[in-house]
Amino acid sequence: DAGVIQSPRHEVTEMGQEVTLRCKPISGHNSLFWYRQTMMRGLELLIYFNNNVPIDDSGMPEDRFSAKMPNASFSTLKIQPSEPRDSAVYFCASGPGFGSDTQYFGPGTRLTVL
Amino acid sequence: DQQVKQNSPSLSVQEGRISILNCDYTNSMFDYFLWYKKYPAEGPTFLISISSIKDKNEDGRFTVFLNKSAKHLSLHIVPSQPGDSAVYFCAASAIGNQFYFGTGTSLTVIP
Repeated sequence: DAGVIQSPRHEVTEMGQEVTLRCKPISGHNSLFWYRQTMMRGLELLIYFNNNVPIDDSGMPEDRFSAKMPNASFSTLKIQPSEPRDSAVYFCASGPGFGSDTQYFGPGTRLTVL
Repeated sequence: DQQVKQNSPSLSVQEGRISILNCDYTNSMFDYFLWYKKYPAEGPTFLISISSIKDKNEDGRFTVFLNKSAKHLSLHIVPSQPGDSAVYFCAASAIGNQFYFGTGTSLTVIP
């Protein structure tokens, strides 16, 4: 299995631009999670999906953030407009089922907003 | 507010000695706990877990201890090896709910 795939691995953009991060979960996994890693707060859960349906998006920091999962094999996290404080590493993770006992992380996307 | 806390941002240990990483949590509803290991430029990978019905779980050189009354868990690595140098994240959940992660502890094992 290829594991969770994220793209791009690195993104540098200017403030005000739209940023789209992409994730392909492990085939057969029903749950998908988006996390943001910062030094101050560690790994923060932004949103998670179960069977392509958003279950909890309370971690999404602002309306500038949105996430979609149009099918079982693809999800996007969009930031529009981006701001310098959004600079972080964003991870996507998938799990075999809702409430499963572990999650499998992708390699992350390092986002830098200038 | 952080429901899972790792108060030591970094730890250095000599090769062959024991590494002890600590984690505290505030939510008494948490009943499942995990440790993840993260190398630079990679995503976190699952290391070891423990449910609240146990107070110890061992897997090779890695042992996790859970003290429910103190809302504290720890990860012991014995003996420590240079390849163990990584960031370790503690996570907790109540069954069927999301994981809450700590801020991580960066472990350096000195050869």
